[in-house]
Amino acid sequence: DAGVTQSPTHLIKTRGQHVTLRCSPISGHKSVSWYQQVLGQGPQFIFQYYEKEERGRGNFPDRFSARQFPNYSSELNVNALLLGDSALYLCASSSRFQTGANTGELFFGEGSRLTVL
Amino acid sequence: GQSLEQPSEVTAVEGAIVQINCTYQTSGFYGLSWYQQHDGGAPTFLSYNALDGLEETGRFSSFLSRSDSYGYLLLQELQMKDSASYFCAVSSYGNTGKLIFGQGTTLQVKP
Repeated sequence: DAGVTQSPTHLIKTRGQHVTLRCSPISGHKSVSWYQQVLGQGPQFIFQYYEKEERGRGNFPDRFSARQFPNYSSELNVNALLLGDSALYLCASSSRFQTGANTGELFFGEGSRLTVL
Repeated sequence: GQSLEQPSEVTAVEGAIVQINCTYQTSGFYGLSWYQQHDGGAPTFLSYNALDGLEETGRFSSFLSRSDSYGYLLLQELQMKDSASYFCAVSSYGNTGKLIFGQGTTLQVKP
């Protein structure tokens, strides 16, 4: 079975541009979360979507937005890119709405590495 | 707020045992998870504790003390492939599936 897939794997943008990152969860998983991981740090929560509705938002500016489609895939959009947005963007899926109520287990994709010049 | 502390680096030799500690501060604590990440790839789930005590999964074990807000990951019979970053992460009641990750511990296994 396919794991969590993300695209693109690498991309380079310039300041002020817009980027769209895509994620396909594991088949049957209805929850998709997005995390930002800056080099040398742990992943930081951006959004969670469950059953196509936003269920959680981290401490990120409104330049960050996301959505989930009827097939449970998801997009993360970032507008007006800043140098500080350079990071690995990770998508994670789970079968449960509340990760902690299950096993604390998220299934992560390989990520999209964004470089902003 | 919520915060986690773990050592930034640990070095050990092949075949040895290493313990990576994690202390946390969070409201509504639910559980503590551990993830492994090789060279900036996909973090992979290792273990989870919601109750006090030790959970064993093969060469890896994880421990939790809720009263001390403390946990650790124990890696036995270290292998070169265990060289990676290890993250502890907490989940809390009512936060809709969000995990708060620590800064990570880089484990270097030497021959």
